[in-house]
Amino acid sequence: EDQVTQSPEALRLQEGESSSLNCSYTVSGLRGLFWYRQDPGKGPEFLFTLYSAGEEKEKERLKATLTKKESFLHITAPKPEDSATYLCAPYSGGYNKLIFGAGTRLAVHP
Amino acid sequence: DVKVTQSSRYLVKRTGEKVFLECVQDMDHENMFWYRQDPGLGLRLIYFSYDVKMKEKGDIPEGYSVSREKKERFSLILESASTNQTSMYLCASRRQPNTGELFFGEGSRLTVL
Repeated sequence: EDQVTQSPEALRLQEGESSSLNCSYTVSGLRGLFWYRQDPGKGPEFLFTLYSAGEEKEKERLKATLTKKESFLHITAPKPEDSATYLCAPYSGGYNKLIFGAGTRLAVHP
Repeated sequence: DVKVTQSSRYLVKRTGEKVFLECVQDMDHENMFWYRQDPGLGLRLIYFSYDVKMKEKGDIPEGYSVSREKKERFSLILESASTNQTSMYLCASRRQPNTGELFFGEGSRLTVL
């Protein structure tokens, strides 16, 4: 059975304190992986798509990486506005077969 | 910018009531989705529509039905609401199957008493 686990469930950082969020998965026939950001009371917002192991994508203070069994979202020198829940979603067999993780709630304090 | 609009942000219904959740997208996207989001469980796909009048069951379709009579509108129907359907419901759309980016609405929080 396809599964995805995100860790930690919650993370509290001081402004400027870099860290990484983990998304580990067991998905047969993986075709890629998405990262989304979700603010409280809002729907998820697309961040990145990663297609193959070794690929990296960057956007401002965020960098996503992918291996065969996990993906990391690295946050460099975070700011309070980076506070949100970050969701990963590996997919296989078609884009409607996304499997969303439960997310990591990130809180960045000044 | 793509906009996905869900008609109701908050609803409170009683057990056994029929519930309609409506979603409209303004960018002529072919594909539309309904997910529910529960704490600790992530987003789970209820139904997917790849074109007008076309639909496909997701992972948890039981107790739900959908309607897509026009390209821009995708409705989720709870025929007889139950307390275990209390959840956040999220609608999403995408341009076509070969693009992975989903555009989500802001969600409809349903409470069934």
